[in-house]
Amino acid sequence: DIQMTQSPSSLSASVGDRVTITCRASQSIGNYLNWYQQKPGKAPKLLIYAPSTLQSGVPSRFSGRGSGTEFTLTISSLQPDDFATYYCQQTHRSPPTFGPGTKVDI
Amino acid sequence: EVQLLQSGAELKKPGESLKISCKCSGYRFPNDWIGWVRQMPGKGLEWMGIIYPGDSETRYSPSFEGQVTMSVDKSINTAYLHWSRLKASDTAMYYCARRTSAAASAFDVWGQGTLVTVSS
Repeated sequence: DIQMTQSPSSLSASVGDRVTITCRASQSIGNYLNWYQQKPGKAPKLLIYAPSTLQSGVPSRFSGRGSGTEFTLTISSLQPDDFATYYCQQTHRSPPTFGPGTKVDI
Repeated sequence: EVQLLQSGAELKKPGESLKISCKCSGYRFPNDWIGWVRQMPGKGLEWMGIIYPGDSETRYSPSFEGQVTMSVDKSINTAYLHWSRLKASDTAMYYCARRTSAAASAFDVWGQGTLVTVSS
């Protein structure tokens, strides 16, 4: 299986901060990288796919980039609604695998 | 509006069987894969497998092959996840989600989750 890692595993930030989360794959996955946001007690929500296309309805402060083995999710100006756990997922090779998550809190 | 509505929480004993459901609406059910994702308490997301409602083709993660069975009933636009003999380690939240080829095979719409608790 392709192993996904994320860094940091958690971070503390303030409203208005610029936040970047890194996701790395154990082998090249091309552009098959997606990002999800999960809030406590809620289902995950697709934010970005392939790896820079914003899902419909997702605010433009979220952006994704990268290719091959290294990818980033950036929140340009953190808002109160953004405090959550973020997961990357590769869909290049089966089984698709998720990263371990990055928790963003205050 | 695309919606996936999952069945309610379950409390079962080890060795019992269980089938949870995921009712899909707002799109052409046969045309998109439905996946299942496990989240154990306090842990991350695990991709279990996907099923294509059009012909019931299934693809399981090796970690879940033989442990669960996915199925669908096209007549009622519903996908199922079934255990024949539950174990305590099956205690988790289970999500169904629609996989879309239009978004790099990501899961673009998710159910609300079904909490399964297995305890004697």
